[in-house]
Amino acid sequence: SQQGEEDPQALSIQEGENATMNCSYKTSINNLQWYRQNSGRGLVHLILIRSNEREKHSGRLRVTLDTSKKSSSLLITASRAADTASYFCATGAGNNRKLIWGLGTSLAVNP
Amino acid sequence: NAGVTQTPKFQVLKTGQSMTLQCAQDMNHNSMYWYRQDPGMGLRLIYYSASEGTTDKGEVPNGYNVSRLNKREFSLRLESAAPSQTSVYFCASSTDRGLSEAFFGQGTRLTVV
Repeated sequence: SQQGEEDPQALSIQEGENATMNCSYKTSINNLQWYRQNSGRGLVHLILIRSNEREKHSGRLRVTLDTSKKSSSLLITASRAADTASYFCATGAGNNRKLIWGLGTSLAVNP
Repeated sequence: NAGVTQTPKFQVLKTGQSMTLQCAQDMNHNSMYWYRQDPGMGLRLIYYSASEGTTDKGEVPNGYNVSRLNKREFSLRLESAAPSQTSVYFCASSTDRGLSEAFFGQGTRLTVV
């Protein structure tokens, strides 16, 4: 069952622009994680934000978490062609500590 | 430092054939997972192993079996492959299930004809 829903499903921008992707979820969580998947490759972890955190940075990545709205956003600043990939959110939730995945946002950065 | 290694990378099976997908991690992680990824369906958990010696069903376990051979290795077996099992399979591992980042293998692209 999917918990996270990414929005938009697809995003196309020019190199140098910022890209924002959103993730909404349904139940209370312990943490929310963002991953990147290049075409035909495995997923790579980008950032983990815990439920008691509101914002986190890693290089050109900025993640926010609003637990009252059950949503998170991933901002990639000054995008590059190499950022072209699918981006997934995953939530760690519940007593069984399941990691539940969204369907992903496909980002295309045009040179 | 290899991380998570999956074999094979590609496989074509005939309906009814069996095969085992191998996965090994060298990060001393407790938890290991098998996912399948299908277009429009996202990642779906097949089986997981929270620690050495334990395995549990995920969302879509039917038609699969797993073995946590030791702390490093977690294999996925298809006993009688069906076309519906055509998919990309990913193995992953993490320190602590659901609470820490997961590391993924490069995937196995399986086609059942």
